[in-house]
Amino acid sequence: DVKVTQSSRYLVKRTGEKVFLECVQDMDHENMFWYRQDPGLGLRLIYFSYDVKMKEKGDIPEGYSVSREKKERFSLILESASTNQTSMYLCASSSFRGAQETQYFGPGTRLTVL
Amino acid sequence: GEDVEQSLFLSVREGDSSVINCTYTDSSSTYLYWYKQEPGAGLQLLTYIFSNMDMKQDQRLTVLLNKKDKHLSLRIADTQTGDSAIYFCAEGDSPTGGGNKLTFGTGTQLKVEL
Repeated sequence: DVKVTQSSRYLVKRTGEKVFLECVQDMDHENMFWYRQDPGLGLRLIYFSYDVKMKEKGDIPEGYSVSREKKERFSLILESASTNQTSMYLCASSSFRGAQETQYFGPGTRLTVL
Repeated sequence: GEDVEQSLFLSVREGDSSVINCTYTDSSSTYLYWYKQEPGAGLQLLTYIFSNMDMKQDQRLTVLLNKKDKHLSLRIADTQTGDSAIYFCAEGDSPTGGGNKLTFGTGTQLKVEL
């Protein structure tokens, strides 16, 4: 079974703090993604990566950065957290080997910025 | 850019059929997907359909694709309380590029009442 894990289920931070969200997958997938999920807006892609040390901006990258030093790990960084970054963050991974481009999701991290 | 739209809520009675609808704009999508998100969990792939098909059946699930109208639907037969969740449709980028990004709809909250 594909497993995607995220470091925390719930996180509470203060405005201005630097926040790290970690994601690890164990299926040797090339591609990894970070989304945020907000009610009525669905999932919006923040950043993705299709190889180690590679990163691409998604639809809403402002205020975020990412790091992919190892194939299995993709980190999302909020350099200076703000209240409008309170959200559910979902990590996903997929493989070019799969014919149907399926993405596998982690359980999510609910981040609250006070 | 791509846009994927769904109605936000659907309420059905247990045992009835549910139909969740989705419209999309990117006619180059190779695959279209339905994901399910149970409360407090990440997204789980339910089913997918290749863009040159118009119907796919998988046990209680039937996916219909009208490519001309760019309309996708998910029918759940004999809906059960365990089907209560948020359902997302998604479309896949052309596979010729890297990263196989998906564009997600806003999600439909399905509530199954006794």
